[in-house]
Amino acid sequence: NAGVTQTPKFRILKIGQSMTLQCTQDMNHNYMYWYRQDPGMGLKLIYYSVGAGITDKGEVPNGYNVSRSTTEDFPLRLELAAPSQTSVYFCASSFAPGQGYGYTFGSGTRLTVV
Amino acid sequence: AQTVTQSQPEMSVQEAETVTLSCTYDTSENNYYLFWYKQPPSRQMILVIRQEAYKQQNATENRFSVNFQKAAKSFSLKISDSQLGDTAMYFCAFTSGGGADGLTFGKGTHLIIQP
Repeated sequence: NAGVTQTPKFRILKIGQSMTLQCTQDMNHNYMYWYRQDPGMGLKLIYYSVGAGITDKGEVPNGYNVSRSTTEDFPLRLELAAPSQTSVYFCASSFAPGQGYGYTFGSGTRLTVV
Repeated sequence: AQTVTQSQPEMSVQEAETVTLSCTYDTSENNYYLFWYKQPPSRQMILVIRQEAYKQQNATENRFSVNFQKAAKSFSLKISDSQLGDTAMYFCAFTSGGGADGLTFGKGTHLIIQP
């Protein structure tokens, strides 16, 4: 049981480049989330999804896009990378957060935009 | 919107001591969940303990316990018999009863356990 798997673990992008951060979970969780963590800060929600085909914006969605074509996968797309997007990105999932089920996190992707 | 405040950026204690990390939150909801997460240098987010707002009894997990004061909107974490492996960032987090829109995190407390 792999849990939440994120790839890549590290990436350096040049300003203006694009990339996709991959997130896959094998726990059949409907709820999935993308967070970013800036130095010395807590995690902030970028986008979330309550099921396949459904996505919604979180607190800091600008500069990102997501899709959810399957229950398992929730990729995060960065278009026209900017230095302000240098951060650590976490994907998370939950079975039923409204019923107190916890959230399972991936190990994170450290992204540097230069 | 909910907010979570951790007022202690960093704390340092000796091994085997007891330490309490503070967390306050603001919400107008009556049904919600509170969490403490540990983030060691490996950056993995590890769930330490969870509290349901409608339960008056404080949650306990081995050496970790919480003091949940609903009226004061306070949710502190107590670590007993602290160990070197407890050194990490600790984040307090909140989610509403609906829960679909994820967790709101505090800025974290860097806990250092000295040998």
